[in-house]
Amino acid sequence: AQKVTQAQTEISVVEKEDVTLDCVYETRDTTYYLFWYKQPPSGELVFLIRRNSFDEQNEISGRYSWNFQKSTSSFNFTITASQVVDSAVYFCALSRNNAGNMLTFGGGTRLMVKP
Amino acid sequence: DVKVTQSSRYLVKRTGEKVFLECVQDMDHENMFWYRQDPGLGLRLIYFSYDVKMKEKGDIPEGYSVSREKKERFSLILESASTNQTSMYLCASSNVQGSGANVLTFGAGSRLTVL
Repeated sequence: AQKVTQAQTEISVVEKEDVTLDCVYETRDTTYYLFWYKQPPSGELVFLIRRNSFDEQNEISGRYSWNFQKSTSSFNFTITASQVVDSAVYFCALSRNNAGNMLTFGGGTRLMVKP
Repeated sequence: DVKVTQSSRYLVKRTGEKVFLECVQDMDHENMFWYRQDPGLGLRLIYFSYDVKMKEKGDIPEGYSVSREKKERFSLILESASTNQTSMYLCASSNVQGSGANVLTFGAGSRLTVL
């Protein structure tokens, strides 16, 4: 069975601090995809990144970076120099059986960035 | 700007009432999904549809049904609402992209309270 665990339910930081959101997954599939989505207070989840299981290269996009480690089944997300606008709930998700139609989501991490 | 629109942002219903949650997308996407979001549980898939008049059960279909008569519209139906169906309901859509995992586009959500 598949599982995605986001152990941090809430994180609070002060603006300009770096913060890492953890994501650990379980799957028996050899081919799979991992995602991160952001849910701001408006409610609409916004896609951030997708990685496939064959690509373990870390990715950086502006202040955002992602560390994918197959050996530890982790796909962690780091925000550098956090800003108040980063306050949101962040979800990690895992595709099922190489089927793009269904995702298993983690429980989410609520990030609060204080000015 | 592509969109997934959920007709009602907030609803309050009574136990036993029939509830319709409507979702419309303007991206000509084949796949549409209904998720339920609860604190600590993340998003759980209720139903999805990969074509008009086609539907598949997700992880928690009990107490729900769906209808997809037109490609752009996917309705979630609670035949007899119960208090444990009080939740945030999220609609999403995606395009078919070969065997890769699809990026979901989400609506803003419908918060349902059942009294």
